[in-house]
Amino acid sequence: DQQVKQNSPSLSVQEGRISILNCDYTNSMFDYFLWYKKYPAEGPTFLISISSIKDKNEDGRFTVFLNKSAKHLSLHIVPSQPGDSAVYFCAASGGSNYKLTFGKGTLLTVNP
Amino acid sequence: DARVTQTPRDKVTEMGQEVTMRCQPILGHNTVFWYRQTMMQGLELLAYFRNRAPLDDSGMPKDRFSAEMPDATLATLKIQPSEPRDSAVYFCASGFGVGDTQYFGPGTRLTVL
Repeated sequence: DQQVKQNSPSLSVQEGRISILNCDYTNSMFDYFLWYKKYPAEGPTFLISISSIKDKNEDGRFTVFLNKSAKHLSLHIVPSQPGDSAVYFCAASGGSNYKLTFGKGTLLTVNP
Repeated sequence: DARVTQTPRDKVTEMGQEVTMRCQPILGHNTVFWYRQTMMQGLELLAYFRNRAPLDDSGMPKDRFSAEMPDATLATLKIQPSEPRDSAVYFCASGFGVGDTQYFGPGTRLTVL
């Protein structure tokens, strides 16, 4: 039972354009959501998070949107850069005592 | 710049051998996690600790895997005996709470021949 789903295994965009990575969840108890970025041969790196009391959180070129009614979140990267090419994992938890549940990841390729 | 460290970074061993992976969590973090990444399963949670006490190890094959925290600065994951299907990248992560932001180490790439 996959509670956090990233339905697109891969995404390719042109440098300077917007990248939109999507994530769906099924557990209505989830109230904290995170995005991680992972380069080959490195560990996942925390990128940005959002609490369920908000519907948007922004950090530089990265914005996460949360739609609780649709149980959907997305990560927008604007403008995309070749250095953003990596695997992006979405994760969710139901509170500080509940473990993170990860999606299987989306490979983003940003072409120069 | 505090970060999680893991040793070794790469390990090649033969089937049946014991493998020990080590992790030093970020100082002050009270929760430590072990994950395994495979192509098919993505990031699988194997076990986690809070204040050095094991909270959940249901993700681990109990007969061959064991995880411990001998002290607050060291977490270990042992496989005995190792099998080819254990070949994967093993990550350690630490944080301030089970469901809070986790910070990952660089991983140990294990190859069992």
